Amino acid sequence: EAGVVQSPRYKIIEKKQPVAFWCNPISGHNTLYWYLQNLGQGPELLIRYENEEAVDDSQLPKDRFSAERLKGVDSTLKIQPAELGDSAVYLCASSGGLAGTNEQFFGPGTRLTVL
Amino acid sequence: AQSVTQPDIHITVSEGASLELRCNYSYGATPYLFWYVQSPGQGLQLLLKYFSGDTLVQGIKGFEAEFKRSQSSFNLRKPSVHWSDAAEYFCAVGADSWGKLQFGAGTQVVVTP
Repeated sequence: EAGVVQSPRYKIIEKKQPVAFWCNPISGHNTLYWYLQNLGQGPELLIRYENEEAVDDSQLPKDRFSAERLKGVDSTLKIQPAELGDSAVYLCASSGGLAGTNEQFFGPGTRLTVL
Repeated sequence: AQSVTQPDIHITVSEGASLELRCNYSYGATPYLFWYVQSPGQGLQLLLKYFSGDTLVQGIKGFEAEFKRSQSSFNLRKPSVHWSDAAEYFCAVGADSWGKLQFGAGTQVVVTP
């Protein structure tokens, strides 16, 4: 079974430029998460989708960040414009949504460097 | 508010020695508890999880963890570490079955020959 796929793996951009990250979850997983991981810290949830609905986006900086999961499968996270402080690893995870298990499977992440 | 504390930022252990990583949480009820491992350039891999039942849980790669309600702890252990266990380890708590996890800051494990 294929895991969570993310692309690109690495991205270097200049500040004020836009950037987008793509995630394809494990087949059949209806819950998709985007996490931000700063250096030396644990991941922090940015947004969680149940199918195509964003059910928790309280930690998403909506002035510059946006996300979509139009058909309830793959998802895109966008930053426009990027700032120096956005340099981090962006992790995508998915879950089968089985009640009581909460098991999330993580992709390898996209490492963003903003110059 | 829920929180997760991993008191040890960095641990160095000799190959073959035992390992224990500490995790303390703050939450009003019994949370869902997890340990993940992250190797350089890799995503997080689930080692083990606890929801209910036996408070000593077994995971992959020879790891185990013990839930202690009275101490609000969920410490991870391995009797004998291998060089491949060098990685960063994250404790996480989930408040419900909907999948929102809160992670600790992580513990970096270095294994020496």
